[in-house]
Amino acid sequence: KAGVTQTPRYLIKTRGQQVTLSCSPISGHRSVSWYQQTPGQGLQFLFEYFSETQRNKGNFPGRFSGRQFSNSRSEMNVSTLELGDSALYLCASSEWGLYTGELFFGEGSRLTVL
Amino acid sequence: DQQVKQNSPSLSVQEGRISILNCDYTNSMFDYFLWYKKYPAEGPTFLISISSIKDKNEDGRFTVFLNKSAKHLSLHIVPSQPGDSAVYFCAASPPQGAQKLVFGQGTRLTINP
Repeated sequence: KAGVTQTPRYLIKTRGQQVTLSCSPISGHRSVSWYQQTPGQGLQFLFEYFSETQRNKGNFPGRFSGRQFSNSRSEMNVSTLELGDSALYLCASSEWGLYTGELFFGEGSRLTVL
Repeated sequence: DQQVKQNSPSLSVQEGRISILNCDYTNSMFDYFLWYKKYPAEGPTFLISISSIKDKNEDGRFTVFLNKSAKHLSLHIVPSQPGDSAVYFCAASPPQGAQKLVFGQGTRLTINP
C-alpha cells in the first residue's frame, strides 16, 4: 500500500505570496489532517477533512485554508505569507472509525518564506 | 496554551540502558495518548498508545505508563538501541474524536554507542 504523499517537498516563497500544498492519503483513508511543525512548538493542528468537509479546525488565522476532493486528496493554501509561516507542513491520513488516533504521516512539505 | 508538554528538549542515553521520555498534560478530558517517533526528513510514525482506562501498555521494548492523577505519561525504551535515536512526540486525543490530536514539542533522543 502506498503511503501518504505530499508535494512539493521543498519550496521557497517570499512574503506576501501564497502557496498551495498537496496531500494524497493512503488508499481507502477518508480523513486527512494537516499539522504545522516549527522548532519548539511541536506539531500544531491546522484542520481535518473528511468526505470533502472540514470536520475540525485548529487555532490558525484565516490565511490558512484547505479543501478535500472526492478522491480524498487534500490541498492546503496559505495566503499573504509571513516569515513566521516558515515550517514543515505535515499531512496525515486515517481510516474512518479507527478510534485509535493512529495517523499515518507523509514526509512533509518544507516551506521557507523569505 | 500548551496542553501537552515535553519539558526535556533532548535526552542522551547509553546503548543498552533504559530511555525514559516524559510528557505532561493539563486537560483532564484527554482520554487517549500516543507516542510518535520522527526521523529527519521523514514524517512521524506511530509507536505506541494507551487508553485512559489503563495505566500501562507494553509492546516489545517499548512501554508507556499513564498516571492520570498526575496527568503524566512516560515512554520507556529498554534496552535502547542506536536506531532509537529520533525525535519523540507524545500526543493526546480529546474524547470527541481522535482526529484532532494535540502534540507536545518533542524530545530528541540520542543513543550513544
